[in-house]
Amino acid sequence: QVQLVQSGAEVKKPGSSMKVSCRASGGTFNSSSISWVRQAPGQGLEWMGRIIPIFGATDYAQNFQGRVTMTADKSTGAAYMELSSLRSEDTAVYYCTRYAIIVATSRGGDYYGMDVWGQGTTVTVSS
Amino acid sequence: DIKMTQSPSSLSASVGGRVTITCRASQSISNYLNWYQQIPGKAPKLLIYAASNLQSGVPSRFSGSGSGTDFTLTIRSLQPEDFATYYCQQSYTTPRVTFGQGTKLEIK
Repeated sequence: QVQLVQSGAEVKKPGSSMKVSCRASGGTFNSSSISWVRQAPGQGLEWMGRIIPIFGATDYAQNFQGRVTMTADKSTGAAYMELSSLRSEDTAVYYCTRYAIIVATSRGGDYYGMDVWGQGTTVTVSS
Repeated sequence: DIKMTQSPSSLSASVGGRVTITCRASQSISNYLNWYQQIPGKAPKLLIYAASNLQSGVPSRFSGSGSGTDFTLTIRSLQPEDFATYYCQQSYTTPRVTFGQGTKLEIK
């Protein structure tokens, strides 16, 4: 069973950038998407965007457009999420997740879910 | 964006009891609705997909229902490990998904 292993905690200064990595252990991403979700302290889950590693295709949430870049390295089986112009409100736990088809339908409209999650990376933005 | 609203935001219940959590979508999402469980300090875990289908390994005391805009997650015979925060998430506009704000289930 594939597991997602993320890079370690980071402390960043306001205005700087962060880059979190996510590697598949015990398998590969295959054709699945990797979605990134963040959770600010005591808050809920916020979808940031996704990348399909084998194609490099990306979709970003409107809230992060222009600040986020998601990439993947097929040779190493890693996905990356970079967020720039950091501010204190970006302090959060960042998760990578496998966003995969749980049930395929013959009529299209497959059912997707985040069925594998990384352990989370805590990023603190503070001066 | 489709807004997902959960109620209540928090609730308390006893071990052995039963709870129901509601999730409402701002527009119809058919049954493209997932539920996740998050234990404090841990990553979320997929519980239910397509509104009513249990993910592999999830105990049968969990059940989901609903279609269109209104959905429920029911947990019967609550166990100590069920006290967690639960999130609904729509996948109707996949890959652009949205989550509910979460419902924290605490022990009474």
